[in-house]
Amino acid sequence: GAGVSQSPSNKVTEKGKDVELRCDPISGHTALYWYRQSLGQGLEFLIYFQGNSAPDKSGLPSDRFSAERTGGSVSTLTIQRTQQEDSAVYLCASKETGSGANVLTFGAGSRLTVL
Amino acid sequence: EDQVTQSPEALRLQEGESSSLNCSYTVSGLRGLFWYRQDPGKGPEFLFTLYSAGEEKEKERLKATLTKKESFLHITAPKPEDSATYLCAVQAPYAGGTSYGKLTFGQGTILTVHP
Repeated sequence: GAGVSQSPSNKVTEKGKDVELRCDPISGHTALYWYRQSLGQGLEFLIYFQGNSAPDKSGLPSDRFSAERTGGSVSTLTIQRTQQEDSAVYLCASKETGSGANVLTFGAGSRLTVL
Repeated sequence: EDQVTQSPEALRLQEGESSSLNCSYTVSGLRGLFWYRQDPGKGPEFLFTLYSAGEEKEKERLKATLTKKESFLHITAPKPEDSATYLCAVQAPYAGGTSYGKLTFGQGTILTVHP
């Protein structure tokens, strides 16, 4: 079946440019997460959407980062005025709430390189 | 603040050589401890969820255990295909609003199994 889809899989950009990363969660999954993974590091929480509730933005590293989720489905993570330290793999995950298992299904990630 | 520390950072084993990975955690009111496997270039893949001290889960050559302060992932007679990064995560306690469901990850243990 269809999993979590992320695009682009790779993005190279110049410092100062804006980038948008897209996440298509599993159909019917009401919870959606964005994490960041830098080279050799663990996963750093960025933001969490749950249904129609206000998102948990506590992990966003600066006001250059923002995310939205339209219609409770597709999500876009936007990074404005990119910096070299933004280079990382950005992972999206979705979860079927109410299942009891609380299992996140991850996409393959979007690798961002800022030159 | 929730903290998760994994050790060792890297582990090299010979095929058939059993060992254990450690995940130490600090969280106020554990709602769940999760183990994920991550292969290069892919997103993490769910392995186990443990909810209370004394609980154990098994899958093929892997067995996860949980105490009040740490979790172990035991690997029995590993094979080269078990080579991956193993990630541990804890779930934040419910605090109302949107903080429920956020996972805090450790840095991971890179396991290499030589034939």
